[in-house]
Amino acid sequence: NAGVTQTPKFQVLKTGQSMTLQCAQDMNHEYMSWYRQDPGMGLRLIHYSVGAGITDQGEVPNGYNVSRSTTEDFPLRLLSAAPSQTSVYFCASSPGQGMSNQPQHFGDGTRLSIL
Amino acid sequence: AQKITQTQPGMFVQEKEAVTLDCTYDTSDQSYGLFWYKQPSSGEMIFLIYQGSYDEQNATEGRYSLNFQKARKSANLVISASQLGDSAMYFCAMRDTGGFKTIFGAGTRLFVKA
Repeated sequence: NAGVTQTPKFQVLKTGQSMTLQCAQDMNHEYMSWYRQDPGMGLRLIHYSVGAGITDQGEVPNGYNVSRSTTEDFPLRLLSAAPSQTSVYFCASSPGQGMSNQPQHFGDGTRLSIL
Repeated sequence: AQKITQTQPGMFVQEKEAVTLDCTYDTSDQSYGLFWYKQPSSGEMIFLIYQGSYDEQNATEGRYSLNFQKARKSANLVISASQLGDSAMYFCAMRDTGGFKTIFGAGTRLFVKA
């Protein structure tokens, strides 16, 4: 059982480049989220999804796009990378409505550097 | 807006002693959930303990307990009999009424001394 799989694990980009961080889960979880982790700031919610076709903004959505075409996949797109987006990105999933006491399952993270 | 505050950037504790990590939260929701996660230096996020806003008893999981004071909006994590392996970053998190989204505090780095 793979859980939440994030790819790539490491990436270096130049300012202005675009890229997609991949996230896939095999637990049939309805809810998925993207966070960024920066020193001293904890995990900040970027975007989240409550099911296929439904997404919403979190605390820091600017510069990022998401889509959820299937239950399993929740990719995060950086449209035009900026140095301020250098961070560690985590994808997480959790069961849907009625199971709000269940914790999130996290991927291993993607360490992204923007030069 | 919801907010989680962890006021202790770093904490030291002697091995085998107990330690309390502080967490306060702000929400207008009546129903919400509180979580604690551990992040060792390897980077993975490990779930520790959960407390529902309507739970009357404080949650416990082995050496972890959650000191939940609803009126004060605090959800402190207590680790009893600290071990060297407890050295890690600890995050407090809150899930909203619908369970749709979870927000995190800035974290507390715990150092356990031998």
